[in-house]
Amino acid sequence: GNSVTQMEGPVTLSEEAFLTINCTYTATGYPSLFWYVQYPGEGLQLLLKATKADDKGSNKGFEATYRKETTSFHLEKGSVQVSDSAVYFCALKRTDKLIFGTGTRLQVFP
Amino acid sequence: GAVVSQHPSRVICKSGTSVKIECRSLDFQATTMFWYRQFPKQSLMLMATSNEGSKATYEQGVEKDKFLINHASLTLSTLTVTSAHPEDSSFYICSALFGTQYFGPGTRLLVL
Repeated sequence: GNSVTQMEGPVTLSEEAFLTINCTYTATGYPSLFWYVQYPGEGLQLLLKATKADDKGSNKGFEATYRKETTSFHLEKGSVQVSDSAVYFCALKRTDKLIFGTGTRLQVFP
Repeated sequence: GAVVSQHPSRVICKSGTSVKIECRSLDFQATTMFWYRQFPKQSLMLMATSNEGSKATYEQGVEKDKFLINHASLTLSTLTVTSAHPEDSSFYICSALFGTQYFGPGTRLLVL
């Protein structure tokens, strides 16, 4: 079946540190892949996406590359800010349905 | 950008009562909306797909008589938790499809 596995949190970093949140998936075919972010008290927001192998999604300094060979879509940011503190969800899409990972809480301290 | 609202943001009810949660697309029309449930420290689990003017499609294991979904207009879908029990306490999130899914802020339900 289709599933998404992402690293457990919380991830605690100091401001300007490098961030990696791992995400791997299991799926038939080649699904579209997404990262969503949920800030405290708000709904999920699409952060970035990739629709085919080797595509790189990027937004707000975050990047993720669709790796077919490792079935991965790891989220990276070179220098995190306190304002990046949120819960990050990796997801894949089959037809119009989204399948989410368990979410990873990121806490960035000054 | 596309905005989706949910009402109420949180609700506390007694066991055995029914609770209705509204999901509205504020600046676009959506023929398809989705309802998710999120447990603490767990993923969002899709409960059902709501299609305007037709019956909702429920995911396996979701009781359709327990979680009634009505999508009567292109901007409103409602989820009614009937005869709620403490195990129904959860965070319920809706999304509306407009090219991509736009999510509401969620409704926290606590059943006492």
